Amino acid sequence: AQKVTQAQTEISVVEKEDVTLDCVYETRDTTYYLFWYKQPPSGELVFLIRRNSFDEQNEISGRYSWNFQKSTSSFNFTITASQVVDSAVYFCALVLYNQGGKLIFGQGTELSVKP
Amino acid sequence: EAGVVQSPRYKIIEKKQPVAFWCNPISGHNTLYWYLQNLGQGPELLIRYENEEAVDDSQLPKDRFSAERLKGVDSTLKIQPAELGDSAVYLCASSASRRETQYFGPGTRLLVL
Repeated sequence: AQKVTQAQTEISVVEKEDVTLDCVYETRDTTYYLFWYKQPPSGELVFLIRRNSFDEQNEISGRYSWNFQKSTSSFNFTITASQVVDSAVYFCALVLYNQGGKLIFGQGTELSVKP
Repeated sequence: EAGVVQSPRYKIIEKKQPVAFWCNPISGHNTLYWYLQNLGQGPELLIRYENEEAVDDSQLPKDRFSAERLKGVDSTLKIQPAELGDSAVYLCASSASRRETQYFGPGTRLLVL
C-alpha cells in the first residue's frame, strides 16, 4: 500500500527563520512522482513542485528548496528566510500513474510564520 | 490562463437536503478529479474523469453521491440526501492528461446542519 507521512502537524517560526517540512513516503513501485502543494487560508491547493522517482537532484526555486532522498524515502521541503505570506498548510503527495494517477496526500503541516 | 473554477464557494444546508457542486476545469484539460477534504486531513479522491468517462469512482459513495461530466468539460457533483458527516471541502482538480500535474480549484466548503 502507498502512504505519505508528514509527522509535523504544526510548525511555528519567526519571520526570516529557515524551516524544513518533512515528508516520508511508502511505495513498492519503482516509478512514482512526488509533489508539494501549498494551501493558504483561501483554501485553494497551489502546486509547488513535481519530482519523478528517477530524478534525485535537489531543486531550488527562489527561497524554496527540495531534498529528495530515495534511500530514506524522504522528500523534504525547506523555506529559507521565511515570510508571513508563507503561512499555510503544506501537503506532500505521491502518485503512481500506473495505478490510476490519484494523488495520495499526507496529513499536511500547518506552518505559521510570525512577524 | 484561467484556473479551475468552482461554485459555490460555500454552502450551508440542512441534513437530508440535496446539494450540487459545479466545476469548470482549465481549458484543454481532459482529466478532471473530485476530491474530498475533511478538516485537518489531506484530500482524498472521489472520482476521476477522462473526458466524459468516469474511469475511477471506487471511492465515491454511490448510495448518495453522483457525478457527471456530460460534454467532457465542466462537471457536477451531487449529494442526495446530505448527512451531517458530509460536511467537508469538496475540491475539483484538472490535468492535461492522466500523467500530468493536477491543478486545483478553490473548493466548495459544505456545512450540513
